[in-house]
Amino acid sequence: GQQLNQSPQSMFIQEGEDVSMNCTSSSIFNTWLWYKQDPGEGPVLLIALYKAGELTSNGRLTAQFGITRKDSFLNISASIPSDVGIYFCAGQTQGAQKLVFGQGTRLTINP
Amino acid sequence: NAGVTQTPKFRILKIGQSMTLQCTQDMNHNYMYWYRQDPGMGLKLIYYSVGAGITDKGEVPNGYNVSRSTTEDFPLRLELAAPSQTSVYFCASREAGTTDTQYFGPGTRLTVL
Repeated sequence: GQQLNQSPQSMFIQEGEDVSMNCTSSSIFNTWLWYKQDPGEGPVLLIALYKAGELTSNGRLTAQFGITRKDSFLNISASIPSDVGIYFCAGQTQGAQKLVFGQGTRLTINP
Repeated sequence: NAGVTQTPKFRILKIGQSMTLQCTQDMNHNYMYWYRQDPGMGLKLIYYSVGAGITDKGEVPNGYNVSRSTTEDFPLRLELAAPSQTSVYFCASREAGTTDTQYFGPGTRLTVL
């Protein structure tokens, strides 16, 4: 079946640093999504990408839909304490009814 | 809109007991999903539904059952609880279009002892 490899699995950074994470797939996707999960909460959508090469920002977050359609990247600039959490990528193929999720990247910020 | 709501928020079951996890959405979404998230892990799809009266298995359906009698509700049933079902369960919904995204409920934390 389809699999998404998300890396890194965890990150420990200082407040103010920039963060980069990515997701790669063996299959082509038509939609890439990035979610954030705060402790004890459900995932919340951050950014949705629908076209190869698309670059979309949401405040300090920027995500890109890879040209090959097999990868996506999420960057967070100037991290702050509330950025702590688990970030998930998810992909969907054309006409699919289900999303495929990555394993998540756990972000920890040292003040 | 309340979005996706789940009840209960927490539950402890004994081995062999049964229970139903409730999920309701008020966005008139056609698609609904049940996931489980084990500690430190990602989301695994249990069951999903593309509309009232239609359900299908996901990645890890064993030990669970679902029904979808209305657009709004998608309950998940555990018949004989086992310790391996200790997890956090998330319900999600989305519209039918390919560009529409899934919205998640707050989760139900289930412990089976």
